[in-house]
Amino acid sequence: GAVVSQHPSRVICKSGTSVKIECRSLDFQATTMFWYRQFPKKSLMLMATSNEGSKATYEQGVEKDKFLINHASLTLSTLTVTSAHPEDSSFYICSARDPADSQETQYFGPGTRLLVL
Amino acid sequence: RKEVEQDPGPFNVPEGATVAFNCTYSNSASQSFFWYRQDCRKEPKLLMSVYSSGNEDGRFTAQLNRASQYISLLIRDSKLSDSATYLCVVPQGGKLIFGQGTELSVKP
Repeated sequence: GAVVSQHPSRVICKSGTSVKIECRSLDFQATTMFWYRQFPKKSLMLMATSNEGSKATYEQGVEKDKFLINHASLTLSTLTVTSAHPEDSSFYICSARDPADSQETQYFGPGTRLLVL
Repeated sequence: RKEVEQDPGPFNVPEGATVAFNCTYSNSASQSFFWYRQDCRKEPKLLMSVYSSGNEDGRFTAQLNRASQYISLLIRDSKLSDSATYLCVVPQGGKLIFGQGTELSVKP
């Protein structure tokens, strides 16, 4: 299957700092990428849909000024958690959809585990 | 009714057992369905896609019942390595809607 990478895999930061997470599609061009967060023992919650060259579409209840998304190229989307607080600690996962795949399959990155102290 | 609903389990089964998970969905217009597998602290990985009445891949069989709006996943001859959380996923409006996942633990 298609490969999606995510960096960093793990980050620990102090409260009030900003953290940037990168998501890359390695062997296809992704016009659409997705950002999820997952709490322990819970399922994935979609935060936003990242569209190349345009603004991201945020899900209800997700603060766009808190979670900045940039999709500047067909292979890279970034999520910046601004002024992070302990409640932002979570597992953040990106996914990408291969436009050549008509079945809406999404390929997931390995995730970023964020711990805010 | 939740958009995608699964029995969270956990299902604790011995090696070699057959186990089945059910998933119900609310949107009768849904055309395709997925089962993903997620290991602890890892990302979900696609296990099977279901577009018609069902799909089979080795020990894994997925079946779709459109009239009752449910999808099932059957695992035969379960292995220790099958222990994971199984996510039922339904595409909708360009997004993926996830069930809460069913936890499977296969014991020796």
